[in-house]
Amino acid sequence: KNEVEQSPQNLTAQEGEFITINCSYSVGISALHWLQQHPGGGIVSLFMLSSGKKKHGRLIATINIQEKHSSLHITASHPRDSAVYICAVRSNTGNQFYFGTGTSLTVIP
Amino acid sequence: NAGVTQTPKFQVLKTGQSMTLQCAQDMNHEYMSWYRQDPGMGLRLIHYSVGAGITDQGEVPNGYNVSRSTTEDFPLRLLSAAPSQTSVYFCASSSDYYNEQFFGPGTRLTVL
Repeated sequence: KNEVEQSPQNLTAQEGEFITINCSYSVGISALHWLQQHPGGGIVSLFMLSSGKKKHGRLIATINIQEKHSSLHITASHPRDSAVYICAVRSNTGNQFYFGTGTSLTVIP
Repeated sequence: NAGVTQTPKFQVLKTGQSMTLQCAQDMNHEYMSWYRQDPGMGLRLIHYSVGAGITDQGEVPNGYNVSRSTTEDFPLRLLSAAPSQTSVYFCASSSDYYNEQFFGPGTRLTVL
């Protein structure tokens, strides 16, 4: 069973393009996280949100609690954005996190 | 602050050997957790702790033990390594369950 589904699995974009990564989940949540994992393997938290929208620089994350869906947008993409983006949800019952399998993004100069 | 540190970065074991993966954080975080990451699968929670002296099982706890004697340290013990435990292991911490998690750099473990 996959509590968190991401699409697409792989994404290649030209530098400057607008990118959208989608995340759907099937469990009740108290928060949703977007993480970035670089080729070296390190994982960094980008956003934590429980409603609405958040923006950091060129990154925007939105969530629709009723539809159990979140999107991560990257505006004016750059090769340094190349990484795996992971959606994770924090269950609202018990101390449990569920992770998507990630979206591998490659931005070509 | 060093954040979350993990040692070793790489380890090769033979089936049946035991070892301890170390995790430490210097942010005075109460919540700490261990995950494994396997190809084609999302991160999966092995064990977690909500404070010193308190641990609980996650999604895939079998074959692993943890303890939390101090706020800073959260070691993960493999009792008798099996090839199915070949994976990349991440430790993470947060100030509490409801806040952003900070991840360590990971330990790549191979069991032959």
